[in-house]
Amino acid sequence: GAVVSQHPSRVICKSGTSVKIECRSLDFQATTMFWYRQFPKQSLMLMATSNEGSKATYEQGVEKDKFLINHASLTLSTLTVTSAHPEDSSFYICSAREGRGHTEAFFGQGTRLTVV
Amino acid sequence: GQNIDQPTEMTATEGAIVQINCTYQTSGFNGLFWYQQHAGEAPTFLSYNVLDGLEEKGRFSSFLSRSKGYSYLLLKELQMKDSASYLCAVLDSNYQLIWGAGTKLIIKP
Repeated sequence: GAVVSQHPSRVICKSGTSVKIECRSLDFQATTMFWYRQFPKQSLMLMATSNEGSKATYEQGVEKDKFLINHASLTLSTLTVTSAHPEDSSFYICSAREGRGHTEAFFGQGTRLTVV
Repeated sequence: GQNIDQPTEMTATEGAIVQINCTYQTSGFNGLFWYQQHAGEAPTFLSYNVLDGLEEKGRFSSFLSRSKGYSYLLLKELQMKDSASYLCAVLDSNYQLIWGAGTKLIIKP
């Protein structure tokens, strides 16, 4: 299957700082990327959907000013957690899909964010 | 609203067979996925069904009945490494993935 690379896999940051997470599709052009967060023992929670070249669509309850998503190219999307707080500590996962008519979404490896 | 239901947790014995059910109510249907997720890792793709019937892939099989809004994942010859969460997800009419909460499968020796 296609490969989606997410970086970093783990990050620890101080409260109040910002963290950027990258999601790259390595062998296909991802017109749509999804960002999820997952708390322990809970299912994936969709945060936002981003289409290349346009603004991300955020799910209800997700602060767009806190979770900045950029999808500037067909192979790269970034999620920046701004002014991180301990409650933002979570497992963040991206997935990418080649196009609307394509079905399977390929997942990145995930990023474990710990805010201290 | 859109809804995916699957059991929260199941327990099975090594070498046995287990069936994980998933029922769904979504706005449109463009296929159903099963993913496996080990603790602390991202989900990995297991199967995709868009037509009714059974798809077999090694020890894993997935079944779909669109008229009943129902799918199951069948795992045979269970191994300890199969202990994981199994996520059911439906692609709706807008090609958005609607996720179930996942079923935690515990395998006992």
